[in-house]
Amino acid sequence: EAGVAQSPRYKIIEKRQSVAFWCNPISGHATLYWYQQILGQGPKLLIQFQNNGVVDDSQLPKDRFSAERLKGVDSTLKIQPAKLEDSAVYLCASSLEGGLGETQYFGPGTRLLVL
Amino acid sequence: AQKVTQAQTEISVVEKEDVTLDCVYETRDTTYYLFWYKQPPSGELVFLIRRNSFDEQNEISGRYSWNFQKSTSSFNFTITASQVVDSAVYFCALSEAEASGSARQLTFGSGTQLTVLP
Repeated sequence: EAGVAQSPRYKIIEKRQSVAFWCNPISGHATLYWYQQILGQGPKLLIQFQNNGVVDDSQLPKDRFSAERLKGVDSTLKIQPAKLEDSAVYLCASSLEGGLGETQYFGPGTRLLVL
Repeated sequence: AQKVTQAQTEISVVEKEDVTLDCVYETRDTTYYLFWYKQPPSGELVFLIRRNSFDEQNEISGRYSWNFQKSTSSFNFTITASQVVDSAVYFCALSEAEASGSARQLTFGSGTQLTVLP
């Protein structure tokens, strides 16, 4: 069974530029998560989707970050404009239904460096 | 206060030594889940184990074992006879029922960098 796919794996941009990350979850998984992992820290949830609806985006900096999952399958996370502090690994995860205690399976992440 | 505390930032051991990674959590819920993930240098978080709050049995899987103690709010992870391939960052995480909404996010600790030297 294929795991969570993410692209690109690495991205270097200058501040104030825009960038987009793509995620394809495990087939059949209704719930998709985007996490931000700053160097030396644990991942922090940015947004959670259930099918194509947003369940929680309370920690998403909405002035610059946006995310969508239009058809309830793959998802795109965008940053516009990027700031230096956005340098991090962006991890996508998926789970079957999003219930309490469900295991989340993670993709390889996208490493973003903002110069 | 942090919900998941991994006080050990870095640990170095020599191959074949046993090593224990500590995890202390904080929650008001009676129903919750605890997880351990491994993050090798490649960056992907690899699921290791899940334990619910009603199951305090210790778990053993090969060289890995987990000790869950509700009395001390701890969920420690032991690697027996460590190997170089065990070198990674290990994260403990908590999933608890939120008071509002249906979000089921994982709250991660800050991780422990384990280095196993040959």
